[in-house]
Amino acid sequence: GAGVSQSPRYKVAKRGQDVALRCDPISGHVSLFWYQQALGQGPEFLTYFQNEAQLDKSGLPSDRFFAERPEGSVSTLKIQRTQQEDSAVYLCASSLTGLSGTQYFGPGTRLLVL
Amino acid sequence: RKEVEQDPGPFNVPEGATVAFNCTYSNSASQSFFWYRQDCRKEPKLLMSVYSSGNEDGRFTAQLNRASQYISLLIRDSKLSDSATYLCVVTLSYSGGGADGLTFGKGTHLIIQP
Repeated sequence: GAGVSQSPRYKVAKRGQDVALRCDPISGHVSLFWYQQALGQGPEFLTYFQNEAQLDKSGLPSDRFFAERPEGSVSTLKIQRTQQEDSAVYLCASSLTGLSGTQYFGPGTRLLVL
Repeated sequence: RKEVEQDPGPFNVPEGATVAFNCTYSNSASQSFFWYRQDCRKEPKLLMSVYSSGNEDGRFTAQLNRASQYISLLIRDSKLSDSATYLCVVTLSYSGGGADGLTFGKGTHLIIQP
């Protein structure tokens, strides 16, 4: 079956521009996670949804970052007024259950802020 | 977020050799443990869950040492295709709660040489 998909795969933004990153999880997966991965680092947790409820957003680095999953399926990560330090790969993962379940990752969106 | 530490390597290992690396975690209340594999410029993929009793999958063996707070991954008869970054994941909470403690290590880089 189809895996997790993300779009766009690549995004170049000018500093100060707003961006929106989309994640389509595996159908039926309850949990959805967003991560930020800088070059040479492991993924850093950003936020976690169970269905449409955002249960944890403690990893969002600033109030410029906002995530939603209004119908409990597709999720959007929005970054307002992008800064150069926002340049990273943004990974989305979904899980059939919760934190103790296997996470299936999408290919990521590579964001470059100039 | 609680700390999870891995030796970044790189571990340079000849083909056919056995290699092992550890991942230490700081919170004794950690509940779930996983090893993920990440190839260059690809998304992480689950390699193994780590159970209290230890588990084996072909050439791979994972173990958990709660007393010393580390998990280990052993690869026997290493193949060129095992070259990748190995990420450990430690979680505190089960589904339904927040994602406090959902932490990836920075990864151990493994290079299998012919």
